[in-house]
Amino acid sequence: DQQVKQNSPSLSVQEGRISILNCDYTNSMFDYFLWYKKYPAEGPTFLISISSIKDKNEDGRFTVFLNKSAKHLSLHIVPSQPGDSAVYFCAAMGYGGSQGNLIFGKGTKLSVKP
Amino acid sequence: DAGVIQSPRHEVTEMGQEVTLRCKPISGHNSLFWYRQTMMRGLELLIYFNNNVPIDDSGMPEDRFSAKMPNASFSTLKIQPSEPRDSAVYFCASSLRDRGSPLHFGNGTRLTVT
Repeated sequence: DQQVKQNSPSLSVQEGRISILNCDYTNSMFDYFLWYKKYPAEGPTFLISISSIKDKNEDGRFTVFLNKSAKHLSLHIVPSQPGDSAVYFCAAMGYGGSQGNLIFGKGTKLSVKP
Repeated sequence: DAGVIQSPRHEVTEMGQEVTLRCKPISGHNSLFWYRQTMMRGLELLIYFNNNVPIDDSGMPEDRFSAKMPNASFSTLKIQPSEPRDSAVYFCASSLRDRGSPLHFGNGTRLTVT
């Protein structure tokens, strides 16, 4: 049973437009969420995180929104660039948990076309 | 810093053979994680260590899998005997022991068992 779901396996966006990647979770005990980006033949790299006490966190072109009532978070990339083409993983951990309790989604492959 | 270093990058072996994957974490990091990535199951945590001590190995699929961390700068994941269903990409990651500290992943070892 997947506790963290990324229902879109892939997404294609034109350069300069907004990319929106979605993530749903089922465990109401999750209180910390992260996004990782992965290029082919490389390991995932940390992108941005958000605590459940916030509903938005922004870092440059990347913004993560959290809707606790809907158990949904999204990653917005504006404007999208070809170098953003990668697989994006959503991850979550629960109250009192640590990185050893991190649950990953299966990822969404983003393609940004020039 | 060179980041998390994994070796080998690729391993092809025959069923029944012993396989040893190696990891050097980032200096100063006190938590180390072994993950496996497959198409079907995504990123799964196999085992993690804090200060060289195994904390949770509930993700290790079978007794054929074992992991050690003899010191703060080295860890191994061993599969003996290997089976075709073990074919996957194995990632090692390290972090500071702080739930707010993101994981730093190595570039993985792609294992193929024929």
